[in-house]
Amino acid sequence: GAVVSQHPSRVICKSGTSVKIECRSLDFQATTMFWYRQFPKQSLMLMATSNEGSKATYEQGVEKDKFLINHASLTLSTLTVTSAHPEDSSFYICSAILAPRPYEQYFGPGTRLTVT
Amino acid sequence: QKEVEQNSGPLSVPEGAIASLNCTYSDRGSQSFFWYRQYSGKSPELIMFIYSNGDKEDGRFTAQLNKASQYVSLLIRDSQPSDSATYLCAVNIGNQFYFGTGTSLTVIP
Repeated sequence: GAVVSQHPSRVICKSGTSVKIECRSLDFQATTMFWYRQFPKQSLMLMATSNEGSKATYEQGVEKDKFLINHASLTLSTLTVTSAHPEDSSFYICSAILAPRPYEQYFGPGTRLTVT
Repeated sequence: QKEVEQNSGPLSVPEGAIASLNCTYSDRGSQSFFWYRQYSGKSPELIMFIYSNGDKEDGRFTAQLNKASQYVSLLIRDSQPSDSATYLCAVNIGNQFYFGTGTSLTVIP
């Protein structure tokens, strides 16, 4: 299968600071990447769809000014959590689609964010 | 209306038994179907995908798709304690994916 990496795997930051998470497709080009958030013992929640060279599409209820997404190349998407607060503490997971059909979606290992 | 529904479980099976996981979906336009395994604290891992009616086998795993009845299932033969995890069903429509809430499986030694 295809490999997706995320960096960092864990980050602790102070309230009010910003954190950038990188997602890379290592052995394939991904025109579409997704960003998810998962709270303990809950299901995946899609935050946004990131398309290379265009603006991300955010799900309802996700603040685009708080969660900045940049998909600058076919192998890299970044998520920046701006002015982080403790309630932003969560497990953030990116994924990338391996096209063509059946559009297999591969997940990165996730980033555990803790805001103190 | 939820796009994808799964029984949340927990489902418990003894080691060596067959574990059967089920998933139904609402949109007949769904094109591809995926099963992911997620261990606690880890991200999901793709284990099977299927897009044609019938069965698809890969090692101890068999995915079954019935588009007329709008369900997809995953059978795990000779279940092992290491199979204990949450199994997520996902369907693909266009370039969108819809996930079920997952079924928790415990394989008892």
